[in-house]
Amino acid sequence: SQQGEEDPQALSIQEGENATMNCSYKTSINNLQWYRQNSGRGLVHLILIRSNEREKHSGRLRVTLDTSKKSSSLLITASRAADTASYFCATFNAGNNRKLIWGLGTSLAVNP
Amino acid sequence: SAVISQKPSRDICQRGTSLTIQCQVDSQVTMMFWYRQQPGQSLTLIATANQGSEATYESGFVIDKFPISRPNLTFSTLTVSNMSPEDSSIYLCSLIGLGQETQYFGPGTRLLVL
Repeated sequence: SQQGEEDPQALSIQEGENATMNCSYKTSINNLQWYRQNSGRGLVHLILIRSNEREKHSGRLRVTLDTSKKSSSLLITASRAADTASYFCATFNAGNNRKLIWGLGTSLAVNP
Repeated sequence: SAVISQKPSRDICQRGTSLTIQCQVDSQVTMMFWYRQQPGQSLTLIATANQGSEATYESGFVIDKFPISRPNLTFSTLTVSNMSPEDSSIYLCSLIGLGQETQYFGPGTRLLVL
């Protein structure tokens, strides 16, 4: 079942701009993860943030987590055309059998 | 990270036929999953492939339609049976490695049913 909801569903920006995507979820989580999918191919793991963390960085990526609001954001700074992809959040829920619960995704287009 | 291969990468099939998708991993893993992703949609988990026993199916998916095998820790197959155009999707094999929390994905099988 899908519990995450990303917004916006689609985002179009110019190269060099920052892109922010948001994800909301409904239940208590162990961690939240962001994945990227290029053009209908397999997904690639980007970053994992645990429920006791508030912010995490990886290169040009910055992820925040607000467990009180059950939401997360993914910021891509200084975007490049190669960042064009769909981005999904996924949660490991507390007490589940290790299945990821997937969001609906944000389609990002970075225009050169 | 594990290297995952899937085959076929794509196929066009006729209504009523079946297709078996193979997933091979280069290292032993704890859990393997099969997902379906319909055009422009998110991922939907079909089942967890269990080694040496029947797969654990999610609500809405049944063994008769999507039989799954996992004879060992590094290999699994998903069969899409008696296909209809509604089965046109990308099918993705995924896994969690030993002691890890993130999922790794195969490149996917793009299926079109006419």
